[in-house]
Amino acid sequence: GAGVSQSPSNKVTEKGKDVELRCDPISGHTALYWYRQRLGQGLEFLIYFQGNSAPDKSGLPSDRFSAERTGESVSTLTIQRTQQEDSAVYLCASSLGDWGGQETQYFGPGTRLLVL
Amino acid sequence: KQEVTQIPAALSVPEGENLVLNCSFTDSAIYNLQWFRQDPGKGLTSLLLIQSSQREQTSGRLNASLDKSSGRSTLYIAASQPGDSATYLCAVDNTDKLIFGTGTRLQVFP
Repeated sequence: GAGVSQSPSNKVTEKGKDVELRCDPISGHTALYWYRQRLGQGLEFLIYFQGNSAPDKSGLPSDRFSAERTGESVSTLTIQRTQQEDSAVYLCASSLGDWGGQETQYFGPGTRLLVL
Repeated sequence: KQEVTQIPAALSVPEGENLVLNCSFTDSAIYNLQWFRQDPGKGLTSLLLIQSSQREQTSGRLNASLDKSSGRSTLYIAASQPGDSATYLCAVDNTDKLIFGTGTRLQVFP
């Protein structure tokens, strides 16, 4: 079956512009996660959705970052007034959401964002 | 605060060698630990998941062990091949998010 897909694959924007990144999770996966990976650094957790609610937004770095999810499908990560330090690969993952310790997260290919 | 460390940061070996990648974490209250592979320009591929109650998992030439009490996991790769070249990441499941290590960059040369 289809895996996690993300769009666009690459995005170049000017400082101060807003960007929207999209994630389509695996069908039937109720849990969805956003991470980012800045150059030379490890992956950082941003936000987690269970269904369309976000019980954990603790990783969002500032109020310029927001995310929404429609039901148990598409999620959009929005970055307002982008800054150069927002340049990173933004990765989305999904999992079944059936808690019990066996929760493999499946990752999309990522969106590479470059803020000039 | 959970912190995950991986050593070595980089490793270069000839084809055919058996090798061990190490991961340590500071908080033993985890649900599971996962090992991922990351190829340049691509997303992450899940390799193995070890639940907190398990000691090890095997898949093909890969074997991962978990010692939760000491906060350690190892990924053993048998008979390495050039196609194994990638960055290997371990991550601990801290209830609703994964906390990642910074990875081990592996190069296997023919």
